[in-house]
Amino acid sequence: GAGVSQSPSNKVTEKGKDVELRCDPISGHTALYWYRQSLGQGLEFLIYFQGNSAPDKSGLPSDRFSAERTGGSVSTLTIQRTQQEDSAVYLCASSLVGTGTYEQYFGPGTRLTVT
Amino acid sequence: DAKTTQPTSMDCAEGRAANLPCNHSTISGNEYVYWYRQIHSQGPQYIIHGLKNNETNEMASLIITEDRKSSTLILPHATLRDTAVYYCIVRVAMTYNTDKLIFGTGTRLQVFP
Repeated sequence: GAGVSQSPSNKVTEKGKDVELRCDPISGHTALYWYRQSLGQGLEFLIYFQGNSAPDKSGLPSDRFSAERTGGSVSTLTIQRTQQEDSAVYLCASSLVGTGTYEQYFGPGTRLTVT
Repeated sequence: DAKTTQPTSMDCAEGRAANLPCNHSTISGNEYVYWYRQIHSQGPQYIIHGLKNNETNEMASLIITEDRKSSTLILPHATLRDTAVYYCIVRVAMTYNTDKLIFGTGTRLQVFP
């Protein structure tokens, strides 16, 4: 079946602009996660959704970052007043449930470049 | 959260077994060991996970030492397509309130012809 999809695949924006990144999880997956990966670095957790709630936002780096999820499905990560250090690949993952040992399935990511 | 230590890079000849080690000496009794890999320019891909018993699936085998302080991921017959960064992760306690993977720097496996 269809995997996790993300859009856009690439985004170039000017410093100070706002951007929205979209994630479509696998159908039926209640848990959704956002990570980011800066060039040459490992993945960094940002936020975790269980349904439409976000019990763990501990990874969001600043109040310029926010995320929402509606209908227990699609999620949007918004970065306001982008900075050059926000340049990274933003990865979304989903899993069947947010507890237990269920593996996370990752999307292809959105490459964000802030100029 | 338990920290993992992996070699930075490894090489393996195509067709041979690739054995990727991971140390997790501070692992707690209820924490699982997960392995993911990331092929260049793609999102991470789940490989296998285990608690204390050895595990095998169609992709790999996972050997966990009796004291659970280390583990080894085995790709029995490596192919060029197995070239990737392999991440060993000790999964944070899974409750409603938090569920995340903490990635380290991983092992870059290069499979050569």
